[in-house]
Amino acid sequence: DADVTQTPRNRITKTGKRIMLECSQTKGHDRMYWYRQDPGLGLRLIYYSFDVKDINKGEISDGYSVSRQAQAKFSLSLESAIPNQTALYFCATSSGTSGYNEQFFGPGTRLTVL
Amino acid sequence: GQNIDQPTEMTATEGAIVQINCTYQTSGFNGLFWYQQHAGEAPTFLSYNVLDGLEEKGRFSSFLSRSKGYSYLLLKELQMKDSASYLCAVPNDYKLSFGAGTTVTVRA
Repeated sequence: DADVTQTPRNRITKTGKRIMLECSQTKGHDRMYWYRQDPGLGLRLIYYSFDVKDINKGEISDGYSVSRQAQAKFSLSLESAIPNQTALYFCATSSGTSGYNEQFFGPGTRLTVL
Repeated sequence: GQNIDQPTEMTATEGAIVQINCTYQTSGFNGLFWYQQHAGEAPTFLSYNVLDGLEEKGRFSSFLSRSKGYSYLLLKELQMKDSASYLCAVPNDYKLSFGAGTTVTVRA
């Protein structure tokens, strides 16, 4: 079974719609992250959370919001989707118990905004 | 902030060796990661270097020079399945900043 799961895996929506992407993990990690990936731009951090009561903006948070419902769940919302939010979205986790830990990525959600 | 540079694309022949360079500028160094990402899939961890020198893991090796702000990933005995993007990443306040990635194409 996958340790980090994302739903949905693919989504096509229209401009102006509200969209929620969900991430769950069974790794018991405290730290969770949301990235978007665009061709030629690499992975860019949208939001991150180091525990249930901690939410932080990343480098490209405008137009997005998040919710950390539990240690294992971290959701990303697009309040009013626009075409330039079409991208591949990844959730990631890390343990944060010592130093700089590797991040474990979910399988990704491909979002298309028409 | 972080400034991470790596080549966009590289092509090599099956069985050959390819070296992917990464240069970085960072305030306060805390190691460097390499990830592999096949098209449309999640990045997966390859290596983490925090001290200078070469670390070898089978066909893959990673090198770090902190004084030069430079790392490379060496892929030996290339196989078709090594065709992927390779991402260099630097920790930044317990987050990771990624380079844009190097797409490696292995040809028969």
